[in-house]
Amino acid sequence: AQSVTQPDIHITVSEGASLELRCNYSYGATPYLFWYVQSPGQGLQLLLKYFSGDTLVQGIKGFEAEFKRSQSSFNLRKPSVHWSDAAEYFCAVGGGGNKLTFGTGTQLKVEL
Amino acid sequence: ETGVTQSPTHLIKTRGQQVTLRCSSQSGHNTVSWYQQALGQGPQFIFQYYREEENGRGNFPPRFSGLQFPNYSSELNVNALELDDSALYLCASSLNGLLGKNIQYFGAGTRLSVL
Repeated sequence: AQSVTQPDIHITVSEGASLELRCNYSYGATPYLFWYVQSPGQGLQLLLKYFSGDTLVQGIKGFEAEFKRSQSSFNLRKPSVHWSDAAEYFCAVGGGGNKLTFGTGTQLKVEL
Repeated sequence: ETGVTQSPTHLIKTRGQQVTLRCSSQSGHNTVSWYQQALGQGPQFIFQYYREEENGRGNFPPRFSGLQFPNYSSELNVNALELDDSALYLCASSLNGLLGKNIQYFGAGTRLSVL
């Protein structure tokens, strides 16, 4: 069965500081991996995706993520956080075009 | 903006009632997936519809059912509502392509409260 673990429920960073959100997955084949962001009361916005190829993927809003097969990880990073990045971030794994399995999310707070 | 629209945005029902949620997919997409997001949790897959047929189902009871129409819009129906059905219901549309490299685009969701 596929699963996603986001070990950090809450993270607080200062504006301008770097950010790394952790994601570990379990999947029986080559995974398709995604990061989504959700603002309060809103749906999910896709930040970036990994299907194959280059293990470092770039997304919107200055985010990037690195796929590490040996560690079953797909961590999200941003060099300099902006106050508007405060939101909840979800990592998801899928394959075959069917369901996505999400982690429980990481709530990001940005201190000014 | 993803082009995926859901209605209504909020809904209040009482236990035992039935509810229908609606979703219009993004132009050009042929697949709709539904997810339930309980408070403080990640979204949980309910089912997916592709070309009007169910194409996968999560661990939800049969009182959760769906439809997809020829224009690829979709409905989620929940019968005999229970208190635990209170959640944000998210619809995602995608274009089923080669090797399943599908990207799901989400609507803003319908917030269902069951009293």
